[in-house]
Amino acid sequence: AQRVTQPEKLLSVFKGAPVELKCNYSYSGSPELFWYVQYSRQRLQLLLRHISRESIKGFTADLNKGETSFHLKKPFAQEEDSAMYYCALSSRGNTGKLIFGQGTTLQVKP
Amino acid sequence: DAGVIQSPRHEVTEMGQEVTLRCKPISGHNSLFWYRQTMMRGLELLIYFNNNVPIDDSGMPEDRFSAKMPNASFSTLKIQPSEPRDSAVYFCASSPTGMVTEAFFGQGTRLTVV
Repeated sequence: AQRVTQPEKLLSVFKGAPVELKCNYSYSGSPELFWYVQYSRQRLQLLLRHISRESIKGFTADLNKGETSFHLKKPFAQEEDSAMYYCALSSRGNTGKLIFGQGTTLQVKP
Repeated sequence: DAGVIQSPRHEVTEMGQEVTLRCKPISGHNSLFWYRQTMMRGLELLIYFNNNVPIDDSGMPEDRFSAKMPNASFSTLKIQPSEPRDSAVYFCASSPTGMVTEAFFGQGTRLTVV
């Protein structure tokens, strides 16, 4: 079964502390993994995708196929990073749909 | 482009009433998705269209839910009759490709059924 698991509903850190938002997936083929972010009262938007190997707003995520994980990391959290983060998996083939985890709320305290 | 446009932004209705949510995808995008967001279950895919044709509606919870896409620039999600457990934020998203490589989301419709 295709599934995305984000074990933490809420992650609270102080400004300047490192952040790691956990994401594990279950997928039988080769997945495409994404992180989406939703700031307060704003629309859901794509943060980064694993195939791009990019760093956006200081965030990075590495796909670990052995551990079936795609954790989102940032070395120094900022208050403006406070938001809801969703890990998502794309099923390849003709379905083309995104399967989301339940989301993790990141709260960065001053 | 204004992005994916959803209306209304907020909807409060009484149990048993019909509710219609609307979505205008980004011009030129050929895939459209409807998602539901709840505290308990997070984001769930309800249905998606490719070139106006429903491809996968396995996420539609029950017969009370229906979705249409009469043309490339408009889609509706209808709930009839509505129930309190339908209260959620409903997101519409569109993608420029038939396969999801990047989906742009609307701001959502917050539905409250009392």
